[in-house]
Amino acid sequence: NAGVTQTPKFRVLKTGQSMTLLCAQDMNHEYMYWYRQDPGMGLRLIHYSVGEGTTAKGEVPDGYNVSRLKKQNFLLGLESAAPSQTSVYFCASSYSWEGSSIYGSYNEQFFGPGTRLTVL
Amino acid sequence: GQNIDQPTEMTATEGAIVQINCTYQTSGFNGLFWYQQHAGEAPTFLSYNVLDGLEEKGRFSSFLSRSKGYSYLLLKELQMKDSASYLCAVFEGGKLIFGQGTELSVKP
Repeated sequence: NAGVTQTPKFRVLKTGQSMTLLCAQDMNHEYMYWYRQDPGMGLRLIHYSVGEGTTAKGEVPDGYNVSRLKKQNFLLGLESAAPSQTSVYFCASSYSWEGSSIYGSYNEQFFGPGTRLTVL
Repeated sequence: GQNIDQPTEMTATEGAIVQINCTYQTSGFNGLFWYQQHAGEAPTFLSYNVLDGLEEKGRFSSFLSRSKGYSYLLLKELQMKDSASYLCAVFEGGKLIFGQGTELSVKP
């Protein structure tokens, strides 16, 4: 299993350009998440999805859109990139909404390798 | 509001024990996760606590006190490869709220 994969790994954009980041998971997870990570800020949730065809806003959704047309894919779009969107973007997925299952297993989030985006 | 605090950085010696603290104030609580993140890599799961007490997994242990809004991660027999950032995250309403992370440097 590849787990969670992200494309591209690196990208440089000019202000005002658009792009889409792709996240794919092969673990049949229902829940998928997009985070951004900035120095001194920790990971912050942008958008998330609780299943195919559903999306919801996280902590910092402005300037981003998402789509979950297929269960295994979660796309993050930047319609008009700004320098403030320079960051490392991580996608994650999990099996369940709960932190742990009744069987004692952990429903931890599995993270992709990240996309390093620079907006000039 | 949501607030999760952990020290920004810590230094420890190879073979020693180090404790990384995390305090939280969140509107809800469904458990607390610890993740490890090496530089330039993705976070990876270390531990999960939902009840008070200590969870032990090999050289790593995690403790939770819900009444105090407090958790710690204990790393024993430190190795150079333990140099990484350690992220405390509160699980609430199906979402993870992360602290800023603690950068641990292990020196020979």
